[in-house]
Amino acid sequence: EAQVTQNPRYLITVTGKKLTVTCSQNMNHEYMSWYRQDPGLGLRQIYYSMNVEVTDKGDVPEGYKVSRKEKRNFPLILESPSPNQTSLYFCASSPWGPYEQYFGPGTRLTVT
Amino acid sequence: GNSVTQMEGPVTLSEEAFLTINCTYTATGYPSLFWYVQYPGEGLQLLLKATKADDKGSNKGFEATYRKETTSFHLEKGSVQVSDSAVYFCALSLGGATNKLIFGTGTLLAVQP
Repeated sequence: EAQVTQNPRYLITVTGKKLTVTCSQNMNHEYMSWYRQDPGLGLRQIYYSMNVEVTDKGDVPEGYKVSRKEKRNFPLILESPSPNQTSLYFCASSPWGPYEQYFGPGTRLTVT
Repeated sequence: GNSVTQMEGPVTLSEEAFLTINCTYTATGYPSLFWYVQYPGEGLQLLLKATKADDKGSNKGFEATYRKETTSFHLEKGSVQVSDSAVYFCALSLGGATNKLIFGTGTLLAVQP
């Protein structure tokens, strides 16, 4: 089954404790992206990647890192999480650009 | 800048009612337009799209027409069902150097039996 998977689905952590949210797609897609969803703000792009080893900032990249060492994986790293990063995070992929994206199920992160 | 504006929700309808969710956009170019749907507890799914002016996207009984003259892409459905209850997001993409989807804030639709 074609899908985008994210892990974990739920995470509660404390300020400053480094964490990684994994994202993997099995569709051989070139383009991958991370979004955060907050009430009243819709979805905002954090980072995106056009291909392996090619990443770039989205609208809200502060406090996040990403890497794209393999085509299928695009982990989101929070080196020192803060409470304002409490949010619902979505990973997405598409064959070649930001058009028809396939979304993962989401990761609900709470930073206390 | 580029942006998408959606009508605020929640929109509450009875089953079989007609649905319209308004979406207007601002873009410096010729965007592709999308409607995504998010069912409770799930990620977003592409519902329909239109890539140029006057195109009509349709899927699952939903329709939206790309209107360049009014910069709009309103979502419509003739007869909603309880299973249509979800959050609907309008989005645009310019591709090229922007390389991202720009989303509206979402509209919650609640359909009552």
